[in-house]
Amino acid sequence: DQQVKQNSPSLSVQEGRISILNCDYTNSMFDYFLWYKKYPAEGPTFLISISSIKDKNEDGRFTVFLNKSAKHLSLHIVPSQPGDSAVYFCAASVSMTTDSWGKLQFGAGTQVVVTP
Amino acid sequence: KAGVTQTPRYLIKTRGQQVTLSCSPISGHRSVSWYQQTPGQGLQFLFEYFSETQRNKGNFPGRFSGRQFSNSRSEMNVSTLELGDSALYLCASSQMGVATEAFFGQGTRLTVV
Repeated sequence: DQQVKQNSPSLSVQEGRISILNCDYTNSMFDYFLWYKKYPAEGPTFLISISSIKDKNEDGRFTVFLNKSAKHLSLHIVPSQPGDSAVYFCAASVSMTTDSWGKLQFGAGTQVVVTP
Repeated sequence: KAGVTQTPRYLIKTRGQQVTLSCSPISGHRSVSWYQQTPGQGLQFLFEYFSETQRNKGNFPGRFSGRQFSNSRSEMNVSTLELGDSALYLCASSQMGVATEAFFGQGTRLTVV
């Protein structure tokens, strides 16, 4: 049961342009969302997060948008740089039920390639 | 501030053996979660420990177990290893384990032969 879905397995973008990564979820109890960047054989690196009480959060080149009614979030990277080439995962968690604490549900990831 | 440290980075074990992996969280973080990453299943939650207590457990067999010490360091143990246990094992630490950022270690690459 895939509760977090990243339907685009890959994305190619030119350096300097905007990268937009999308993520959909099915569990309406998710109330905290995170984006991670991952290189092969390494652990995920935290990028940015957003609580369900907000619809936008910004940190430098990274902005996350949350549309609760559509159960959709997106990550915008502006401008894209060659070092951004990696796999990006969105993750979601539930804070209201104790049996969900400490657990992140991950999407399958989107491979981003930034070309010069 | 030191990040999350996992040891060892790489392990090769034989089927039937057992293995113990270690995770030292960021100082001040009390929650440690463990995940398994495989090409076919992605990142799957194993369990979470907070203040030496297991609060949550994923859908893995009892061969997978863990514990947390008073200094928040955590260990994960896999007994009677199977070929399918070959994976990247990741731990993540956070302050409270809920509604907050979680930071991952570099992972332990386990290969079962």
